[in-house]
Formats: sequence, C-alpha cells, structure tokens
Amino acid sequence: QVQLVESGGGVVQPGRSLRLSCTASGFTFNNYGMHWVRQAPGKGLEWVAVIWHDGSNKYYGDSVKGRFIISRDNSKNMLYLQMNSVRAEDTAVYYCAKDGPYDSSGKYYMDVWGEGTTVTVSS
Amino acid sequence: DIQMTQSPSTLSASVGDIVTITCRASQSISNWLAWYQQKPGKAPKVLIYKAIALQGGVPSRFSGSGSGTEFTLTISSLQADDFATYYCQQYHSYSYTFGQGTKLEIK
Repeated sequence: QVQLVESGGGVVQPGRSLRLSCTASGFTFNNYGMHWVRQAPGKGLEWVAVIWHDGSNKYYGDSVKGRFIISRDNSKNMLYLQMNSVRAEDTAVYYCAKDGPYDSSGKYYMDVWGEGTTVTVSS
Repeated sequence: DIQMTQSPSTLSASVGDIVTITCRASQSISNWLAWYQQKPGKAPKVLIYKAIALQGGVPSRFSGSGSGTEFTLTISSLQADDFATYYCQQYHSYSYTFGQGTKLEIK
C-alpha cells in the first residue's frame, strides 16, 4: 500500500541545521510531486514546500524561503527537507505528503500523508 | 498570497446532527479546494478535493460545495468518529494555503 515515513526529527539548537527524510513506497515515486507541511504545537497546518515529480520546480512558503531546501532522489524513492538557520518558530511536526492523481490542470491536492516527524528548536 | 478563512473556529454538535463548515478564499480559486480531517496525534486525511469530489473510501455523509471564493463542507448525520478538526486548503496557487481549522466537538 502507499506509504510515507518521515525521519530525521529531533532537538536542534537555534541557528543550526537539520535534514528531514521521507521514505516513499507503494507507488511510482517519480510520477508525483511531493510536499512538506508542518504543524506547530497546538496550531494549524502550514504548507512548507513542494517539489515537482522530476525535481524541476520547487516552491516554498514565505516563512522558510531562503532557509529550507526541498530535494528528492527518485532512484531511492526519497524526499528531503534541509532545514538551515532554524528558529524557535520552526518547532513543529513535519509531514511529507504526495500529490493526488494526475490532473491535466497541473493542480494537485495532497492525497497521502506520512505520520510526521517532530522537530524541536531549543538551546 | 491567497488567504483562507474558516468559520466557525469551534463547533459543538451531537451525533446525528447535520453540520456545515464554511471556508472563504481572499480571491477566486475556482474549484481548487480540498478538505482534510485531522484527529489528535494523527496525520490529516483528505475528504474532498476539487471542492465537491469525494475521496475514495470516504463516507458519503461528507459532501462539499462551492466555487470561486465560498465553499462549504457538510457532514450529514454526524457520527462519533467525525469529531475532529477540519481544514480547508486551496491549491490554486503555489502557496497551498490552509484555513485555520474548525474543531468539531461533542455537545
């Protein structure tokens, strides 16, 4: 079955870096765009970044632009989020999610989500 | 960026009730809207996409309507399993904005 499993979360000091990973299985990974979405404790969902199926395009939320980098390795069915210059406000559960089925419009919702990995930014 | 505003923020209801949650976009998003359900400690689950299309496996008591800037999620005959937080999300633009969420509580 389609599965996404995040890893790499933990406690990191402000200003340092952390890399999150998402392992995909059960579908043809290189056919789908992938997202990172986060949720701060007790708060709502915040979209972080998207990468197209072939890695050709990437978009970021304003709060992480210039600090976070989304990437993927289609040969390994892996999605990554490189988090640099982290701040206390980056503390959250980070989810990876896949695009829904092909749509000729090129617009996709998120149809499968992982269970998340927790990042805590603290000194 | 497109802003998404949900109302109400909290909704108290009883099993068997019909409930409606509203989502408004700050500009037209056509029908590029999804609804998600999230239970405590769990990942979100998509219920509705393209404003009105029911995701496979989702009970038919969930329905979506609207286009442009005004959208609704309706749950007919509320079940105990439906008490959760619901989010709308636009995917018209590459900012993929979520609404702030509506917590559906047991009355």
